[in-house]
Amino acid sequence: TQLLEQSPQFLSIQEGENLTVYCNSSSVFSSLQWYRQEPGEGPVLLVTVVTGGEVKKLKRLTFQFGDARKDSSLHITAAQPGDTGLYLCAGLLYSGYALNFGKGTSLLVTP
Amino acid sequence: EAQVTQNPRYLITVTGKKLTVTCSQNMNHEYMSWYRQDPGLGLRQIYYSMNVEVTDKGDVPEGYKVSRKEKRNFPLILESPSPNQTSLYFCASERPGQGINEQFFGPGTRLTVL
Repeated sequence: TQLLEQSPQFLSIQEGENLTVYCNSSSVFSSLQWYRQEPGEGPVLLVTVVTGGEVKKLKRLTFQFGDARKDSSLHITAAQPGDTGLYLCAGLLYSGYALNFGKGTSLLVTP
Repeated sequence: EAQVTQNPRYLITVTGKKLTVTCSQNMNHEYMSWYRQDPGLGLRQIYYSMNVEVTDKGDVPEGYKVSRKEKRNFPLILESPSPNQTSLYFCASERPGQGINEQFFGPGTRLTVL
């Protein structure tokens, strides 16, 4: 059972455009992470959000954790080719210890 | 440099031939885990280890074994590989923190079982 649903699954945009990636669930998470994975490499942590309603910014990336702790979004402003990769959200349930990963959003930014 | 290393990076083998994928971390992390990543299915946890000599099943443990004899190493063993174990495998170690803990992933091992 996939606890975290990511959308869109694929996204192809041009350099300079803005985009938002969503991570949704019917479950409540104690905290949530976003990772970026580049081809041939393992995922690398971008951010952790732990408080409902929390917003974190990492340069051109803005992450938000939903008030109800069931969803999260990643917004990229003025996308660059270097942003190309697979974006994964991962959440930790209050009742568990293991991370639950979404299937990912594959982003391609062309010059 | 803090890192998780895996070997081999690529492996092609045949059904039934036992293999081991090694994983080592130099960050003194207690928690380590193995994942497999498949198209359309995402990352799924195979096994995890909370500490030396403490291992437990993840979501998809069938056909795999692990051991944790020392803190830095966490090998993944396929006693009798089958074609449905063809996948991209990641080892990860975890740094404890507030709330969720940060996972450090290795570079991956692409396994093909013929």
